[in-house]
Formats: sequence, C-alpha cells, structure tokens
Amino acid sequence: AQSVAQPEDQVNVAEGNPLTVKCTYSVSGNPYLFWYVQYPNRGLQFLLKYITGDNLVKGSYGFEAEFNKSQTSFHLKKPSALVSDSALYFCAVRDQRGNKLVFGAGTILRVKS
Amino acid sequence: KAGVTQTPRYLIKTRGQQVTLSCSPISGHRSVSWYQQTPGQGLQFLFEYFSETQRNKGNFPGRFSGRQFSNSRSEMNVSTLELGDSALYLCASSPRGATEAFFGQGTRLTVV
Repeated sequence: AQSVAQPEDQVNVAEGNPLTVKCTYSVSGNPYLFWYVQYPNRGLQFLLKYITGDNLVKGSYGFEAEFNKSQTSFHLKKPSALVSDSALYFCAVRDQRGNKLVFGAGTILRVKS
Repeated sequence: KAGVTQTPRYLIKTRGQQVTLSCSPISGHRSVSWYQQTPGQGLQFLFEYFSETQRNKGNFPGRFSGRQFSNSRSEMNVSTLELGDSALYLCASSPRGATEAFFGQGTRLTVV
C-alpha cells in the first residue's frame, strides 16, 4: 500500500530565510507525488507535482520540490520564505488506480517576520 | 473557469440524522473524489466517481455513500450521523488523463 510520511508537525522559519518541508513516501511502482497547501477554513490548493523527468520540480508561488528516488523523498523548498507562506502543507501520492490521493499528516509552516 | 463548488459551506446536524453534501466539479472534469479531514485522522479518502460509476472506495462504513450524475455533479450522503462524523468534507475533481486534483472549499459538518 502507498504511504506518505511528513516527519515534522511544524516548521518555523524567519522571513527571508530558505524553507524546507520534508516528505518521504512508500509506493510500488513509479510514484506520482504532489504538494498541496491549505489555509485556515479553506480547501487544498495544488502547488506542484512530480510525475517523471527532472528531479527538481518548480511550482506555484516560488515553491519547488526535489525528488530523490534513492531516498524516497520529495521535500518542498523555497529560497526565501514569506509571512504569507504560513499555512498547512500536505504531501500526497496518487494511487495507481484512478485518482485516489494518499496524504501525509501535514506540516504546519510558520514564517515569522 | 469556475472552480470546484461545494454546498453548503457549513452544516450543523443532530446525531442520528442524515445529511447530503453536494459537489459541482470544474466544467469538463469527469472524475470526482471525496475526502474527510479531521484533526485526529487527517485527510482520508472516501470514494471516487468517474462517469457515474464508483471507481474506488476508502475504508469507511456503509453509512457513507455517494453518487455521481450525468453532468458529473456528485453528492455524498451520511446516514445515522455520529459525533465522530464532524469534519471538513472536501471534494476534488480531475479531468480525464490528468494527474492533479483540484479541491473545493469544503463543507464543514458539525454533529451535535
């Protein structure tokens, strides 16, 4: 069965500093990996995905993620954090049957000015 | 293009009642999935519909059911509500062949 782990419940970073939100996965076959962001009382917003190709994936709002097959990781990164990036971030893997997504537990990102 | 629309946004129901939530996908999207989000269990997959057929189902009791109409709109129903059903219910739609899903704002269900 596919699974996703986000080892940090919360990540704190100062505005302007780089940020990393960690994600590791377990799948059979090739992974389809995603990052979503959720603001309070809102749905999930798609940030980026890895399907195939370059290991560094660029997404919305200046975010990027690095796919590492040997470490089964897909960490979310941003070179310079903004206070407005503060939110709940979810890593997900797509089931090979249909469009079912398996989510990690989520990581709260707090960016302080 | 309009996004995924979920109605209502908020609901308060009493234990034992039933509830129906509605989801209108993005125009042209034929796949609709439902998720339950709670503080304790996180985001859990309920079911997916494609062209009016349930394609995948999560590990939820039979009190949770859904359906999809010919215009791709979907409804989910929860019967005999329990306090533990209080959650944010999220609907997502995907076009044919796409990999990412687009989520609605969710319906916040509170069972009292």
